[in-house]
Amino acid sequence: SAVISQKPSRDICQRGTSLTIQCQVDSQVTMMFWYRQQPGQSLTLIATANQGSEATYESGFVIDKFPISRPNLTFSTLTVSNMSPEDSSIYLCSVVAGLSYEQYFGPGTRLTVT
Amino acid sequence: GIQVEQSPPDLILQEGANSTLRCNFSDSVNNLQWFHQNPWGQLINLFYIPSGTKQNGRLSATTVATERYSLLYISSSQTTDSGVYFCAVERRTGFQKLVFGTGTRLLVSP
Repeated sequence: SAVISQKPSRDICQRGTSLTIQCQVDSQVTMMFWYRQQPGQSLTLIATANQGSEATYESGFVIDKFPISRPNLTFSTLTVSNMSPEDSSIYLCSVVAGLSYEQYFGPGTRLTVT
Repeated sequence: GIQVEQSPPDLILQEGANSTLRCNFSDSVNNLQWFHQNPWGQLINLFYIPSGTKQNGRLSATTVATERYSLLYISSSQTTDSGVYFCAVERRTGFQKLVFGTGTRLLVSP
């Protein structure tokens, strides 16, 4: 398994501003992902964070809105840009660790946009 | 894209009761995982189960890949089992990307 931390754990932001969320893993991992969970909904994959190259975005998500960095195998950031109330969600990072394909999730960042 | 439906959407149990949660998926998958999201939002991986049956304490899971469904059994439920249960599948071309199901919200009362 892997121990994953996220910062901040929660934030309240003004419309039009940006927030950067950090994800730190206690071991080197190859695969790292970012998911969004809108209120009362299931999880939706935003993108795969690739080390040393641009992130791979899922349909409906674009780099200008959700820029992602992954400078090494233990750390990634997701920025939510030019926020609107519709961006109010929990944002979670996840990793695939070890020899199995089990996926492990961070505690999430609860974002409210006013 | 692949559809992942879970049933029932909501379930209320008395402590000590047993339950079965179902996950149906619309296409072939590489793997299937079950997660529990506790009331504080933390997602815990319960099972990685692309096929067959696994057991872990009071929980067990069975996936019948050829018929495109998986079942999660909870026996002797406890109040700490409350939360939302998600199944998630990796598409055949998925590169470990997960598609989450609709979820089952479970409330276990004392």
